[in-house]
Amino acid sequence: GDSVTQMEGPVTLSEEAFLTINCTYTATGYPSLFWYVQYPGEGLQLLLKATKADDKGSNKGFEATYRKETTSFHLEKGSVQVSDSAVYFCALSDLSGNTPLVFGKGTRLSVIA
Amino acid sequence: DVKVTQSSRYLVKRTGEKVFLECVQDMDHENMFWYRQDPGLGLRLIYFSYDVKMKEKGDIPEGYSVSREKKERFSLILESASTNQTSMYLCASIPGTGGISYNEQFFGPGTRLTVL
Repeated sequence: GDSVTQMEGPVTLSEEAFLTINCTYTATGYPSLFWYVQYPGEGLQLLLKATKADDKGSNKGFEATYRKETTSFHLEKGSVQVSDSAVYFCALSDLSGNTPLVFGKGTRLSVIA
Repeated sequence: DVKVTQSSRYLVKRTGEKVFLECVQDMDHENMFWYRQDPGLGLRLIYFSYDVKMKEKGDIPEGYSVSREKKERFSLILESASTNQTSMYLCASIPGTGGISYNEQFFGPGTRLTVL
């Protein structure tokens, strides 16, 4: 079945450092890909998405490009802030039907001043 | 503003008790979901529902049941709580129109359940 693998955390960075969180997927069709973020004490919220190959999703300085050839959707940000400290989840949705999202296990990011 | 609310942020129950976790969304969404979140395991789907009175098992339905009598409300029931059900429980919803593939899934703030 479909699956998502993302790098294990925790990831600790200094403020203004460059961030990459790797995400690769396995799917039988051509899924939509998502990054969700969970700030401390809150539920998840959508950060960005891409629905077809070569699409780039972006929001709040974060970017991710849908790479079909490498089955990847890595999350990047050029300069992280303390307020970016959160847990980040990569997810996919199979276009073949109305099936639930498949989530990765999450990567905890801590940004220190 | 879009809202998914859960009845409690924190809950403490005893082993063997029947536990109800309530979730309400005000967006007229057809699809609703219950997940549990545990360290190192990420989110695991317990049950979901595509419409009123419909339910589908997720990846870990054992020990849980659900009820969806009204479109806006999706309840998770622990028939006889056990210590291994201590976890964070997250509810989510997504519109039916356009499907799960393209739409944002909206999450509630979570209920942290402790079973003693």
